[in-house]
Amino acid sequence: GAVVSQHPSWVICKSGTSVKIECRSLDFQATTMFWYRQFPKQSLMLMATSNEGSKATYEQGVEKDKFLINHASLTLSTLTVTSAHPEDSSFYICSAQTSVDTQYFGPGTRLTVL
Amino acid sequence: AQRVTQPEKLLSVFKGAPVELKCNYSYSGSPELFWYVQYSRQRLQLLLRHISRESIKGFTADLNKGETSFHLKKPFAQEEDSAMYYCALSGRTSGSRLTFGEGTQLTVNP
Repeated sequence: GAVVSQHPSWVICKSGTSVKIECRSLDFQATTMFWYRQFPKQSLMLMATSNEGSKATYEQGVEKDKFLINHASLTLSTLTVTSAHPEDSSFYICSAQTSVDTQYFGPGTRLTVL
Repeated sequence: AQRVTQPEKLLSVFKGAPVELKCNYSYSGSPELFWYVQYSRQRLQLLLRHISRESIKGFTADLNKGETSFHLKKPFAQEEDSAMYYCALSGRTSGSRLTFGEGTQLTVNP
């Protein structure tokens, strides 16, 4: 149980385009999901906390207009990278929190912006 | 502010040897500490959390509030333990938000 999926697993896009990444909890409902970013050989950095039915809470330094988060249901959160640039290339990971405050992580999405 | 420090980026031991992955934290309140593990080409997964006080795959970790540490230990390392290990912290003031350490890449040699 407690499986989290992400789609797509990798994406390549041109500079200036927008990319949407989906995060789904497959066998449980998650009122809270988290989005992380991980650069090569570095740790996970929390970008934002996504709560179902309300606005996301962004960490300091993360542009909310750049990284749009929508948590429309208890099993789905989406992260849209708008007007992507090469510096946005990274590994994006989501997690979903169960009722016992345990976070389960998705496999991640590799974004490459050309 | 909360911070997690893992002083060793790389740790290499031989099979059967004891292993200790260090983790120190900084937090003003009562923290909740976790160890996550990421095997090659797999997703991050929870190894253990301090409130459970359980042993998973032979690993244990004790929260030492005096030394603000949560070191991960295993008496006899196995080759399949080779992975990246992350120490993480959450606190009441931060809700369920996790702060991760930089990670330690453990290699267990045959």
